[in-house]
Amino acid sequence: GEKVEQHESTLSVREGDSAVINCTYTDTASSYFPWYKQEAGKGLHFVIDIRSNVDRKQSQRLIVLLDKKAKRFSLHITATQPEDSAIYFCAASSGGSNAKLTFGKGTKLSVKS
Amino acid sequence: AQTIHQWPVAEIKAVGSPLSLGCTIKGKSSPNLYWYWQATGGTLQQLFYSITVGQVESVVQLNLSASRPKDDQFILSTEKLLLSHSGFYLCAWSPGHLNERLFFGHGTKLSVL
Repeated sequence: GEKVEQHESTLSVREGDSAVINCTYTDTASSYFPWYKQEAGKGLHFVIDIRSNVDRKQSQRLIVLLDKKAKRFSLHITATQPEDSAIYFCAASSGGSNAKLTFGKGTKLSVKS
Repeated sequence: AQTIHQWPVAEIKAVGSPLSLGCTIKGKSSPNLYWYWQATGGTLQQLFYSITVGQVESVVQLNLSASRPKDDQFILSTEKLLLSHSGFYLCAWSPGHLNERLFFGHGTKLSVL
């Protein structure tokens, strides 16, 4: 089955700098790649997603890049703010009737002011 | 607007005792429903999914069961808790199409002692 590896378990940046979180996946059939944010003790909140028909997507300060050849995707948070501090999960969907998402292990991002 | 409500927010239970966790989705008919489990400090693992009332598919065997008695309700249960059941349980829904984003509830923290 699909495996998603999230390379950074922790990441610390200064306010205003950019943060980059990298993920790789194994299943070439994966076509949907969302990112979620989790604050302490809370559920997951959707951040941004990208589908395999594009290689870049931007939503305000968030940019997602997808390299299908390398089976790699990344989340770029520009001009970071303290409220960006949270755990970020990447995920990949290998399709199927249940649209099962396979998650990475999460990256704890700390933005220091 | 759609809302998802999970109950209870937290539970402390004894090993061997029964458990029932619930999830209700309002504002969306015939959603796909999911249960995810997150070990403390860990990633998320899909446990069950349901595409329609009365039909539930098991993804992993953890001595848990799930049911969908109504279109907007998803129940996770077991008759006998194990220590390994401790963690964070998240209910989620999706619109019912392939590869669509998941909307998560706030989660239930379960501690089995």
